[in-house]
Amino acid sequence: SQTIHQWPATLVQPVGSPLSLECTVEGTSNPNLYWYRQAAGRGLQLLFYSVGIGQISSEVPQNLSASRPQDRQFILSSKKLLLSDSGFYLCAWSVRPSGRSYNEQFFGPGTRLTVL
Amino acid sequence: RKEVEQDPGPFNVPEGATVAFNCTYSNSASQSFFWYRQDCRKEPKLLMSVYSSGNEDGRFTAQLNRASQYISLLIRDSKLSDSATYLCVVNGHGSSNTGKLIFGQGTTLQVKP
Repeated sequence: SQTIHQWPATLVQPVGSPLSLECTVEGTSNPNLYWYRQAAGRGLQLLFYSVGIGQISSEVPQNLSASRPQDRQFILSSKKLLLSDSGFYLCAWSVRPSGRSYNEQFFGPGTRLTVL
Repeated sequence: RKEVEQDPGPFNVPEGATVAFNCTYSNSASQSFFWYRQDCRKEPKLLMSVYSSGNEDGRFTAQLNRASQYISLLIRDSKLSDSATYLCVVNGHGSSNTGKLIFGQGTTLQVKP
C-alpha cells in the first residue's frame, strides 16, 4: 500500500530564517506531487505541483520554492521566511491521470509552521 | 465567483439526524468530483468520489447535478464521530495531466449528543 510521509510535524521559526520541508511517498511510482498551504481557518491553497522529476509548476507568486530531486521526494523551501508564511503545509500525491479523469489526491500528515 | 462554493456552516445537528451539504462549482466542463473530510488540525482524507449516477457508501450518499452544477452529500443517522469539516472538491482547469484539484472552503458539521 502507498504511504506519504512529511517532516517535521511542527516547526517554529524566526522571521528571515530558511525553511526546508520534506515529503516522501512510498509504494507507488511516477506520482503527481503537490504542496498546499492552509492558513488558520481557511481553505487549501495549492502552492506547487510536479508531474515528474525536476518538473515544478508554481501556482502563486511567493517567496517559497519547490524541488523534486527524486521520483518520490518533494521539497518545499524558503531562503527567508515571512510572518505570512505561517500555516499548515500539506503534501499530497495522486496517480498520474490518464484520459480526462482526475484522480483523488492523498495527503500527508502535514507540517504546522509558525513564523515568529 | 469562487470556483467551488460551500456554505461554511457550522451545521449543528443532534445525533441520529440526517444532514445534507450542497456545493456549487463554476466550470461546466468539470469531470471529476470528490468529498473529503478534514478533522481539526489534521490532513484532509478522501471520503468518497462522486459519480454521475450518484453513489452511496453506508450512511453517506453523494449526488451530482451537472445541469445545475452542484454536488451534494447526505449523511444519515449522524454520529458524534461525523463531526468534522467536509470539503467539496472539483478538478482544476487545464490539462488533466496536472491532476490539479480545487478544494472548497469546507462545511463544518458538529453533531451533538
